[in-house]
Amino acid sequence: AQRVTQPEKLLSVFKGAPVELKCNYSYSGSPELFWYVQYSRQRLQLLLRHISRESIKGFTADLNKGETSFHLKKPFAQEEDSAMYYCALSGRRDTGRRALTFGSGTRLQVQP
Amino acid sequence: KAGVTQTPRYLIKTRGQQVTLSCSPISGHRSVSWYQQTPGQGLQFLFEYFSETQRNKGNFPGRFSGRQFSNSRSEMNVSTLELGDSALYLCASSLADIRRDTQYFGPGTRLTVL
Repeated sequence: AQRVTQPEKLLSVFKGAPVELKCNYSYSGSPELFWYVQYSRQRLQLLLRHISRESIKGFTADLNKGETSFHLKKPFAQEEDSAMYYCALSGRRDTGRRALTFGSGTRLQVQP
Repeated sequence: KAGVTQTPRYLIKTRGQQVTLSCSPISGHRSVSWYQQTPGQGLQFLFEYFSETQRNKGNFPGRFSGRQFSNSRSEMNVSTLELGDSALYLCASSLADIRRDTQYFGPGTRLTVL
């Protein structure tokens, strides 16, 4: 079985402070990990995926297989980063199935 | 390209009724997946369709079903509605290409069961 855990429901930081949204997973094969973001009144959209190893809007995430973690980081938070963030896992590389298993989400609030 | 569209956006039904939700994927996308989002259970996978065939199914009762048409559009049906079926139902489409397999989500259909 696969599982994604986001331990924080809410993370509140001040503008310019570093941000780290935690994500831990449980999966026995070769996972694909994603971060999705949902801004107020907008649809869920992909922020980044571990395979592409790219930085989007200043966010980065490194897959740590030893710690089974995929934490999302940004050195300097901006007010426009306030949103709901979901970590998700896919076992597609092992099973060919695209089903995403989502964490419960973390709401990031960036205060001025 | 136009994004994933879902109709209707809002629905109110009563217990025991059935409902059909529709999803139009991004042009060229052949895979369509459905998810249920509730405050208590979060985002949960319902099923995935590819080339008109169900490829994968989540842990939901048989009252939940779906299908995909030859133009990749998909519908999901919930029969004998229960109060607990009240949720936001999200559809996601992808190219189903091994290198470009990102799932793009629609705005969702909010179903309220009274």
